[in-house]
Amino acid sequence: ETGVTQTPRHLVMGMTNKKSLKCEQHLGHNAMYWYKQSAKKPLELMFVYSLEERVENNSVPSRFSPECPNSSHLFLHLHTLQPEDSALYLCASSQAGEQFFGPGTRLTVL
Amino acid sequence: GQQVMQIPQYQHVQEGEDFTTYCNSSTTLSNIQWYKQRPGGHPVFLIQLVKSGEVKKQKRLTFQFGEAKKNSSLHITATQTTDVGTYFCGYGGATNKLIFGTGTLLAVQP
Repeated sequence: ETGVTQTPRHLVMGMTNKKSLKCEQHLGHNAMYWYKQSAKKPLELMFVYSLEERVENNSVPSRFSPECPNSSHLFLHLHTLQPEDSALYLCASSQAGEQFFGPGTRLTVL
Repeated sequence: GQQVMQIPQYQHVQEGEDFTTYCNSSTTLSNIQWYKQRPGGHPVFLIQLVKSGEVKKQKRLTFQFGEAKKNSSLHITATQTTDVGTYFCGYGGATNKLIFGTGTLLAVQP
């Protein structure tokens, strides 16, 4: 247990569905992140929130929409995804240093 | 922008053999972190190096940061099957973000 939880752990959705991924950290950190990890690709940073303000957006398609209502919670809203969006989505938190990762959500888009 | 190349992409060793993975940057890095991701798991922080020429050890793992702070290595002495996984280096950028290398997948044959 790293103090970062993610739900759901697995998600299968159609291309027309709307779903949300949830991340919660219990570490008192001030920064939270979304990463995408596809097979045979490096970890791709998607979004960074620091003190609840989005400070990084790596040209992620608009079908991914993040939300950070407070320093402990982070959401990733998904809509009209493509099959190539199937991947492991990892949330992480940090306090200016090492990052603590959640277990990830394995997403499959049909 | 900065790029961090990690080599090799994959290494298969016999149990008891040594293993090394390298991270090389085109520019000077302020710090470097190493993470391990077990199969089916999430990245777990191993160590952070900050100083030029720094060497740190964790049991059978030895981490080095180059004198010019452009490269780093992780060496495992006498690998065990529990060492299996993907090893990532990552460097800290602005706004709390961490950029990861491509990773090295280590397979250990008993």
